Amino acid sequence: QKEVEQDPGPLSVPEGAIVSLNCTYSNSAFQYFMWYRQYSRKGPELLMYTYSSGNKEDGRFTAQVDKSSKYISLFIRDSQPSDSATYLCAMSRFIIQGAQKLVFGQGTRLTINP
Amino acid sequence: NAGVTQTPKFRVLKTGQSMTLLCAQDMNHEYMYWYRQDPGMGLRLIHYSVGEGTTAKGEVPDGYNVSRLKKQNFLLGLESAAPSQTSVYFCASSYILKTGELFFGEGSRLTVL
Repeated sequence: QKEVEQDPGPLSVPEGAIVSLNCTYSNSAFQYFMWYRQYSRKGPELLMYTYSSGNKEDGRFTAQVDKSSKYISLFIRDSQPSDSATYLCAMSRFIIQGAQKLVFGQGTRLTINP
Repeated sequence: NAGVTQTPKFRVLKTGQSMTLLCAQDMNHEYMYWYRQDPGMGLRLIHYSVGEGTTAKGEVPDGYNVSRLKKQNFLLGLESAAPSQTSVYFCASSYILKTGELFFGEGSRLTVL
């Protein structure tokens, strides 16, 4: 069983739709929860992170963590064609001297159609 | 400010050949990482370093070696390339105890024939 499971999609929605992306995890040692966005042929970039259960909002993006269910979500409101990318969930725990081990989901490829 | 720079961006190797991927960061980060990305597998950690002169194994280290002789550089070596090492390789760096945020390079696409 993978530590982190993410539906790879692909997911295609019309512009303006609300998008929901989800991941589940099995390891209770994870302390921090992140969403990275990766455009085609580029490296991932951090979109949002949180370390507690609940919601965190940043503009059109909301990250939700439910530690009791080991489930995290990313919601995108008023989706735009520029949001088309692969979204990777990631979870981390410290390994040595403050360095983190990030475990990534498989990534969900999202396309927003104009 | 270039961030994290990887060279080369593309490379084709024959089975058994060797090569080195170079990662350079100009953000004075202590920690550096090498990941590989394969379809359906996500990003997997190969090796990492917590400072100049130190290296450690990640979850898929076999067939790779690394060196961190200078703080700003992290080299990934393949001594005898195999087709299973065909992948996109990403280097990343981070601040000490900066939660969750890794800064990634643009990737190096390697094909082993």
